[in-house]
Amino acid sequence: AQSVTQPDIHITVSEGASLELRCNYSYGATPYLFWYVQSPGQGLQLLLKYFSGDTLVQGIKGFEAEFKRSQSSFNLRKPSVHWSDAAEYFCAVGAGENSTLTFGKGTMLLVSP
Amino acid sequence: EAGVAQSPRYKIIEKRQSVAFWCNPISGHATLYWYQQILGQGPKLLIQFQNNGVVDDSQLPKDRFSAERLKGVDSTLKIQPAKLEDSAVYLCASSLGPGATTGELFFGEGSRLTVL
Repeated sequence: AQSVTQPDIHITVSEGASLELRCNYSYGATPYLFWYVQSPGQGLQLLLKYFSGDTLVQGIKGFEAEFKRSQSSFNLRKPSVHWSDAAEYFCAVGAGENSTLTFGKGTMLLVSP
Repeated sequence: EAGVAQSPRYKIIEKRQSVAFWCNPISGHATLYWYQQILGQGPKLLIQFQNNGVVDDSQLPKDRFSAERLKGVDSTLKIQPAKLEDSAVYLCASSLGPGATTGELFFGEGSRLTVL
């Protein structure tokens, strides 16, 4: 069965600084990988996804993520963080087409002035 | 376009009582999901419907949880009797495609349950 690890429970970044949130997955074949964001009191919103092809994927709100098979990672990045990016971020993995998703425990992003 | 609607937003009950949550997915979305999100954890799938049929309910505690999706649109999730460990946010999601990987999941705002 697939699994996801998000090593950082909380991360604090200064506004305007760059951001990288880590995600490691465990799955034998090529996974389907996702990043979702959850603002307080809101449902989850899809930021980006990777199925195949170019390993650097662009998402909404200026986010990008890079799939690295050798490291079993799918880290989320943003070059300049805005205060509105403060939220909880979830990495998720799917085992194949039409499969369900397994979510990580999430990383809470705090943005300092 | 209207999003996924859930109610109630908040519910407080005593243990051993029952509770029901309602979800109305985005119009035309065939697949509906119920997730349980315990504080400090990621969402865990409880049940997945494709139209009005169950696709996956392997993680649903069937001795106390039940869910239905009559007519392939709205869905209800029921807990009876509730336990303290059921305190969580119950998220409903829907997707146009048949699986979570082939289509984007759209989530509702969730129903927060507190069991005392």
